[in-house]
Amino acid sequence: GAGVSQSPSNKVTEKGKDVELRCDPISGHTALYWYRQRLGQGLEFLIYFQGNSAPDKSGLPSDRFSAERTGESVSTLTIQRTQQEDSAVYLCASTYRRESEAFFGQGTRLTVV
Amino acid sequence: RKEVEQDPGPFNVPEGATVAFNCTYSNSASQSFFWYRQDCRKEPKLLMSVYSSGNEDGRFTAQLNRASQYISLLIRDSKLSDSATYLCVVNTDKLIFGTGTRLQVFP
Repeated sequence: GAGVSQSPSNKVTEKGKDVELRCDPISGHTALYWYRQRLGQGLEFLIYFQGNSAPDKSGLPSDRFSAERTGESVSTLTIQRTQQEDSAVYLCASTYRRESEAFFGQGTRLTVV
Repeated sequence: RKEVEQDPGPFNVPEGATVAFNCTYSNSASQSFFWYRQDCRKEPKLLMSVYSSGNEDGRFTAQLNRASQYISLLIRDSKLSDSATYLCVVNTDKLIFGTGTRLQVFP
């Protein structure tokens, strides 16, 4: 594809349910990021994958959050036992190299009711 | 201290004005620098990279001062369509975003 693709674009879930968000990076991009953006707030770093290195998980807010990436392809962000404070837009971005600019997907808007 | 700091604004300027944003970063080992633009309820999009020698793209000029660890963005002849939030981004071992500076251009 031409750009970063995220799915679903919108997700409404009940408190306590698990959700899985998907990101397809630009082909050939070695790095992939997940960010969270609450309404009216800045981007909050969650996790970073660079090639086959161990991911930087330093931004994950709790053990309910986890993410996986197989090689340099698709990544999934999983939130277990969702809470209302998890409501936000979850943005994925990929970069060609570590020092390159990032290209973002359109995000997944998660609403926990 | 935050890794990347920006004045949140808002900056309210008339059309045609020149406006400047500054951003400071804490890690002197930072390697690459960018300005992004984010429109309301949209994803961030790259506005321009920032190079040590300074660079210009039309009405936009970006500068980097490594000694003082700050980055600037100058917008000349502001347009209504420039209204957005401008994000400063610094890459050390990963991309870190500032919280953004909101610009509102009025007629």
